[in-house]
Amino acid sequence: NAGVTQTPKFRVLKTGQSMTLLCAQDMNHEYMYWYRQDPGMGLRLIHYSVGEGTTAKGEVPDGYNVSRLKKQNFLLGLESAAPSQTSVYFCASTHGGAAGYGYTFGSGTRLTVV
Amino acid sequence: GQQLNQSPQSMFIQEGEDVSMNCTSSSIFNTWLWYKQEPGEGPVLLIALYKAGELTSNGRLTAQFGITRKDSFLNISASIPSDVGIYFCARISSGSARQLTFGSGTQLTVLP
Repeated sequence: NAGVTQTPKFRVLKTGQSMTLLCAQDMNHEYMYWYRQDPGMGLRLIHYSVGEGTTAKGEVPDGYNVSRLKKQNFLLGLESAAPSQTSVYFCASTHGGAAGYGYTFGSGTRLTVV
Repeated sequence: GQQLNQSPQSMFIQEGEDVSMNCTSSSIFNTWLWYKQEPGEGPVLLIALYKAGELTSNGRLTAQFGITRKDSFLNISASIPSDVGIYFCARISSGSARQLTFGSGTQLTVLP
């Protein structure tokens, strides 16, 4: 089925380790987003991309980097993980039209930093 | 950023009861979205509202876009166990990024 696929689904890191979260979409969407979700705080935007080769900072970008080398993939990197980055991470994509129905979310990556 | 104030934070209701939750903002919005998130999944859109005063239904769900364009509510009638989840209001940014901004969510528990 078409959609947004996130890998891995779960990960435990030690403080200081690095990792990359992968988001892949097969809907030819231009816009892709990385959010983090913490209890009682909703989803907050980390970084986003409005097209292949472009990235920009969102609301909470510190400690994260992203890359969009291919249109279908949006990578989120943690260079030196910290316990404050323990969260559930969601990727989303959209074609960029005005309709709210155009956004598709992945099922999330649960990251624990110990 | 432009915050969305969502209430209540959590609700425990009996199966069959009606539920109401709302979102407010200090800013005027052009779009209100309501999402549901089930455990282990990403948010899924329930209802999208585009005009002030608009009232839209999706099965047992009804949402309204406030006349002032600064608030919205979501009602669920005759709740059932599968209504359990976190409900979020959201808006689409007016800039070129078109990112979603979410409220803090309402955790709904339906007791049998």
